[in-house]
Amino acid sequence: ELKVEQNPLFLSMQEGKNYTIYCNYSTTSDRLYWYRQDPGKSLESLFVLLSNGAVKQEGRLMASLDTKARLSTLHITAAVHDLSATYFCAFGYALNFGKGTSLLVTP
Amino acid sequence: GAVVSQHPSRVICKSGTSVKIECRSLDFQATTMFWYRQFPKQSLMLMATSNEGSKATYEQGVEKDKFLINHASLTLSTLTVTSAHPEDSSFYICSAIGGVKEKLFFGSGTQLSVL
Repeated sequence: ELKVEQNPLFLSMQEGKNYTIYCNYSTTSDRLYWYRQDPGKSLESLFVLLSNGAVKQEGRLMASLDTKARLSTLHITAAVHDLSATYFCAFGYALNFGKGTSLLVTP
Repeated sequence: GAVVSQHPSRVICKSGTSVKIECRSLDFQATTMFWYRQFPKQSLMLMATSNEGSKATYEQGVEKDKFLINHASLTLSTLTVTSAHPEDSSFYICSAIGGVKEKLFFGSGTQLSVL
């Protein structure tokens, strides 16, 4: 059975702080995705990780992939309010999604 | 960049009516499209995989007679919710694979409310 476990599911953090969201998946996959979703909106693609050890960074977000551990992380550096959203990881051809991490960044 | 257009963005209908949602790839040919539904504050659930010119493959538990999918061309897939009921109210999102690098692009979503 294909499973994606994301944690934490809810995260409230202060501006300026750092935090990491974890994504464990149950089977081998050649790609791992991270998406952002704002309320009432569709998905915005953040990162596609294609190989073991892949690391990608965009602004205050950095994603990494460890295929041996079947683990991907999304690291947030010096959070700002604009990062408040729900973040999903997904893997596989048709995308098996995690439950999402609802992030709230407070002053 | 590649764009997937989804219409309508919001629809309100009476119970028992049918609703059609369109998903178009605007600047690339999409041999495969996916349909998802999302309940409030939950994740996306894959409903079906749609391949151009062939029957859609439905995920377990998704009623194929309830959710009719047609992928008649390389740029258009439609999802028809037949005889809609309030429990069908949900956010429906399509995605399409295409482009040189076979990337996945998402439509803007359709909020369906059945009264």
